[in-house]
Amino acid sequence: EPEVTQTPSHQVTQMGQEVILRCVPISNHLYFYWYRQILGQKVEFLVSFYNNEISEKSEIFDDQFSVERPDGSNFTLKIRSTKLEDSAMYFCASTRGDTDTQYFGPGTRLTVL
Amino acid sequence: QKEVEQNSGPLSVPEGAIASLNCTYSDRGSQSFFWYRQYSGKSPELIMSIYSNGDKEDGRFTAQLNKASQYVSLLIRDSQPSDSATYLCAVKLEGGSQGNLIFGKGTKLSVKP
Repeated sequence: EPEVTQTPSHQVTQMGQEVILRCVPISNHLYFYWYRQILGQKVEFLVSFYNNEISEKSEIFDDQFSVERPDGSNFTLKIRSTKLEDSAMYFCASTRGDTDTQYFGPGTRLTVL
Repeated sequence: QKEVEQNSGPLSVPEGAIASLNCTYSDRGSQSFFWYRQYSGKSPELIMSIYSNGDKEDGRFTAQLNKASQYVSLLIRDSQPSDSATYLCAVKLEGGSQGNLIFGKGTKLSVKP
């Protein structure tokens, strides 16, 4: 069964550094999402992406964040200058065009020191 | 502010019993409703989706939706220790494929052998 994959599984970085989190959505899916979950808190929406542009973004998704689909398979989330409070699990999700069920990847745990 | 509320638990049930998980949402325009299961340190895994008032059954799981009361629930029959996890209620405002999910904080379920 096709799955959303994410790399790396764990990323440790110093405050102020740039990080890129990578996702490979399910191949025939058209809508892509990033969510984050701070330890012990709820899953929060960051951004959605369709047809090579951002569809919607939350207040969390400020100028420090960007997304890109550099090729036909990868979907990336970049954080330009990480802060301590960016430490969280980051989940990528995708969905087909004929259903709104979102399938989540395994997540990347980002630790900012 | 669009909210999804769940009792955080923990909800403890004996093996073989019925576990009942509840969720309320604030936006009357919500279109789609989902239950995800999340094991500790893992990503959300879809259990059920429901779109219309009434019950929807899938194996040991039954989702119930009451849009007038803005209430959605999940029943787990014949609970097993492997069902022990945090159950996330998620709501989508827009119909169709687009639209982000709004999650509740989740209810932690513990099934005792």
